[in-house]
Amino acid sequence: DAKTTQPPSMDCAEGRAANLPCNHSTISGNEYVYWYRQIHSQGPQYIIHGLKNNETNEMASLIITEDRKSSTLILPHATLRDTAVYYCIVRVAVASYDKVIFGPGTSLSVIP
Amino acid sequence: NAGVTQTPKFQVLKTGQSMTLQCAQDMNHEYMSWYRQDPGMGLRLIHYSVGAGITDQGEVPNGYNVSRSTTEDFPLRLLSAAPSQTSVYFCASRDSGDTGELFFGEGSRLTVL
Repeated sequence: DAKTTQPPSMDCAEGRAANLPCNHSTISGNEYVYWYRQIHSQGPQYIIHGLKNNETNEMASLIITEDRKSSTLILPHATLRDTAVYYCIVRVAVASYDKVIFGPGTSLSVIP
Repeated sequence: NAGVTQTPKFQVLKTGQSMTLQCAQDMNHEYMSWYRQDPGMGLRLIHYSVGAGITDQGEVPNGYNVSRSTTEDFPLRLLSAAPSQTSVYFCASRDSGDTGELFFGEGSRLTVL
């Protein structure tokens, strides 16, 4: 799996958009970008993933640069419940045989 | 569906004792894995399995054994517990379809005295 780098921590005002960056400069052509989050001490939760195009679901939007070397997860209207650690991972989506490695992630604090 | 179920949720061991953390999933996922998480750190992969009878090492496999005799179950064994194994352990399984989303259990908090 390609290595990712994320800032260790970020703050965001409640109601504003939270933009979480991720660098993955060694990503391969068949590797997807995945985002997970971990609230307090719960198990991580899947948020979104994408290959080349920007993606949006009910939780967030994912913007991937044209060269695919970086991406940004956007929480459009952050709430206090979005305070969590966010993990960016790159991996092949459909293969069954790749191990999934998590980095330290970004600790997002949403401030009232 | 119950998803991924881990037992026990809490356990205290003495150094040198052995125990097994249980993990079961009812989603017919081929891929299962174990992670540990220490305070202030991300998740580190211990062992993983891509199907019944197949296991492989992750980033931090020493001190842990696994087996995969059925698709549903993936137990993690500590043969001789050490204080360094005090951690929160998460089991996860993955759909090998289009999304490849990982589903996590609620975690097992282990303290080794």
